[in-house]
Amino acid sequence: GAVVSQHPSWVICKSGTSVKIECRSLDFQATTMFWYRQFPKQSLMLMATSNEGSKATYEQGVEKDKFLINHASLTLSTLTVTSAHPEDSSFYICSARAPEPDYEQYFGPGTRLTVT
Amino acid sequence: GQNIDQPTEMTATEGAIVQINCTYQTSGFNGLFWYQQHAGEAPTFLSYNVLDGLEEKGRFSSFLSRSKGYSYLLLMELQMKDSASYLCAVVDSNYQLIWGAGTKLIIKP
Repeated sequence: GAVVSQHPSWVICKSGTSVKIECRSLDFQATTMFWYRQFPKQSLMLMATSNEGSKATYEQGVEKDKFLINHASLTLSTLTVTSAHPEDSSFYICSARAPEPDYEQYFGPGTRLTVT
Repeated sequence: GQNIDQPTEMTATEGAIVQINCTYQTSGFNGLFWYQQHAGEAPTFLSYNVLDGLEEKGRFSSFLSRSKGYSYLLLMELQMKDSASYLCAVVDSNYQLIWGAGTKLIIKP
């Protein structure tokens, strides 16, 4: 099956610094990738949809200047949390949409971010 | 608006059978997914239904009724490792996944 990797798996950073999370589709090309955030005991919350070669589409309430998304190639999307604050501490999960005609999303293992 | 409803939490006994329901109201329908998510991990694919009826896959089966906007995930011969959250997600007319809040399934010995 399709494999999606994320790096790093977990990261601890100081308040005010920026953190970059990478999402890679290892054995297929993904024109569309998704970034989710999940707080403890809550469901997935879609943050943005990332399309290769174009600007990401952000969900309502998600600050695009704070959460920078770059989908520069068909196998890589990055999420940069800028000027992180403790309230940004969460589990960030990316997924890559399977090639058409399939619509399944293959999930990365997630990145646990802790901002101190 | 678009809406996916599933129970927040369910409890079942090891070895038993449990049915997790999902009802949806979306703009268009291009299929329904069930995912399993263990605490602290990313979701993993369980099933995909686009036609009415029952899809059986080992201990897990998924059912869809498009006319009723209804699906269920049936888990048989429950094992302790089945304790997880189960997420229902619908592909809408724009081919976007609309997610339910998930059902936390607790398995007791």
